Amino acid sequence: DAGVIQSPRHEVTEMGQEVTLRCKPISGHDYLFWYRQTMMRGLELLIYFNNNVPIDDSGMPEDRFSAKMPNASFSTLKIQPSEPRDSAVYFCASSFRRVGNQPQHFGDGTRLSIL
Amino acid sequence: KQEVTQIPAALSVPEGENLVLNCSFTDSAIYNLQWFRQDPGKGLTSLLLIQSSQREQTSGRLNASLDKSSGRSTLYIAASQPGDSATYLCAVASSGGGADGLTFGKGTHLIIQP
Repeated sequence: DAGVIQSPRHEVTEMGQEVTLRCKPISGHDYLFWYRQTMMRGLELLIYFNNNVPIDDSGMPEDRFSAKMPNASFSTLKIQPSEPRDSAVYFCASSFRRVGNQPQHFGDGTRLSIL
Repeated sequence: KQEVTQIPAALSVPEGENLVLNCSFTDSAIYNLQWFRQDPGKGLTSLLLIQSSQREQTSGRLNASLDKSSGRSTLYIAASQPGDSATYLCAVASSGGGADGLTFGKGTHLIIQP
């Protein structure tokens, strides 16, 4: 079975550019999560969706960040304009949730570097 | 707000030793606790998930315990091997009205010396 698929795996771009990260969750999963990992802060939840609807975006750091889930098999995380402090590894995860008894499955992440 | 702490931050032991990684959390209102493994440059691999009603879970040489009332979990690795070298992350799914996402500790970086 295919796991969570993220693209691109690596992204290097200059400050001020728009960055779009993509995620395909595991088929049948109804929850999708976006996390960010940095050395200083570890892994932090940015936003999550249930049945394609954003439920909690309180972890999104600034208005420069936005996320969408147009259908059950695709989600994007966009940063516009990007800044060097956005450099991090961004992970997407999905789960099929039944009262919290299902594990989250993670993609391999997108390593983002903003110059 | 849930906070998760992992001790130690780093650990280096010779091959063959049994070892224990510790995780503590501040809010006992949880759905479950997960232990993950992360290899350099890779994503997270789920190792064990313990429901809030459970005391422990086992998978091969790994055993995870949960004491919800005291806010603690341990990951026991038996007969460690060099292939066990990785960062181990503890994460909690809180049920106390917060996000359904996971709250992570900062991990224990484990090195098993051949």
